[in-house]
This record gives sequence, C-alpha cells and structure tokens, in this order.
Amino acid sequence: NAGVTQTPKFRVLKTGQSMTLLCAQDMNHEYMYWYRQDPGMGLRLIHYSVGEGTTAKGEVPDGYNVSRLKKQNFLLGLESAAPSQTSVYFCASTADRVGKTQYFGPGTRLLVL
Amino acid sequence: AQTVTQSQPEMSVQEAETVTLSCTYDTSESDYYLFWYKQPPSRQMILVIRQEAYKQQNATENRFSVNFQKAAKSFSLKISDSQLGDAAMYFCAYRLYNNNDMRFGAGTRLTVKP
Repeated sequence: NAGVTQTPKFRVLKTGQSMTLLCAQDMNHEYMYWYRQDPGMGLRLIHYSVGEGTTAKGEVPDGYNVSRLKKQNFLLGLESAAPSQTSVYFCASTADRVGKTQYFGPGTRLLVL
Repeated sequence: AQTVTQSQPEMSVQEAETVTLSCTYDTSESDYYLFWYKQPPSRQMILVIRQEAYKQQNATENRFSVNFQKAAKSFSLKISDSQLGDAAMYFCAYRLYNNNDMRFGAGTRLTVKP
C-alpha cells in the first residue's frame, strides 16, 4: 500500500517557468491538501479539495492553481515560478471532513532560481 | 485566526531520559483537534499523537503522551525513555473539528544524545 506519493521529489526551475506537481493517493480518500514548508516555519495550507472536481483556497493560495480531475490525484500548478516559491511542498489526504488524521506524502523540494 | 506557538526552537535530551515539548494555541472555538507530528531528516511527516478537545483524558501512544490543558490552551508532548530514533523536528498542529485548514507551529528540533 503506497499511501500518498508525490512526483517529482526534487526540481529546479528558472523564474517564469511553469510546472505541475502531482500527488496521488490509493486510500480512496475524499479530501486532499497541498502545503508548503519554509525554513523556520510550520506547514501552510495552499489549496485543498473536498472531492473530485472541487478545489478551495487555503492560507497562502496566490501564485498557485490546483485541479482534482480524478479522486486519487491532486495537481498543484505554478504558472510562472518566482524565487519566493522556493520551498518544500507536501501533499496530504484524509478520508472525509471529520477525518482525524492527515496522511502526508514524502514532499517535493522545489528550487526557483 | 488560529495560531500555534512552539516556544522552544531546539531541545536536547539524553538517551533513556524524558523530555517535554511545549505548544500553545490561540482559538475561540471549543471543538477542535490537536496533533503532534514528527519530521525526521527524510522529511516525511509522521503522526505521533492526536487529542480531541472534547476529551478530558490525555492521549497516550506508547512512550508518547500529552498534557492537554484546554483552559490554558496548552498542549505539551512528553517523550519517555527517549531513543536515538526520536531525533527529529516536532510540529504541533491545530484543526477545527469541521474545518480543513490545519495550522502548524514553527517546530521544535529535538536532539537525542547517546
């Protein structure tokens, strides 16, 4: 059972380039989340999804877009990367709205030059 | 807005000893969850322990236990019989019962000395 997986593990971008981070979960969870983690700070919620075809903004959504076309996948897009988006990105999922535990992926380290 | 504060950026403990990590939070709500997550060098976020705010009894998971003081909005983690594998960043987190926005503290780096 793979749980939550993220692709890629590491990526270097130039300012202005675009890319998509993929999160996949095999637990049939309804809710999925994207966080970013910066040095000296805890995780901050970027966007989340409460089910296939739905998305919503979190605490720090600017500069990112997301899509949930399939229940098992949650994509995070950067249309025009900026150095301020250099961070480690984590995906997580829970079974439902009152799901007590969020299961996290291994993280994607993104460096924007 | 809910905030979570971890006042100890770094802590150190001798192997086999006990250490307590502090966490305070600010909220006007009454129904919420509190969590402690462990992040080893591999970066994987691992759930250590969870507490429901409506439960007065403190949660325990083997060597890990919490001291939940709802009125004081305090949620500390006690690690007993510390092991080398406990060395990691520890994050305290808060989430409302019916809300998806989980708020994390800045973390405490725990070092375990052999």
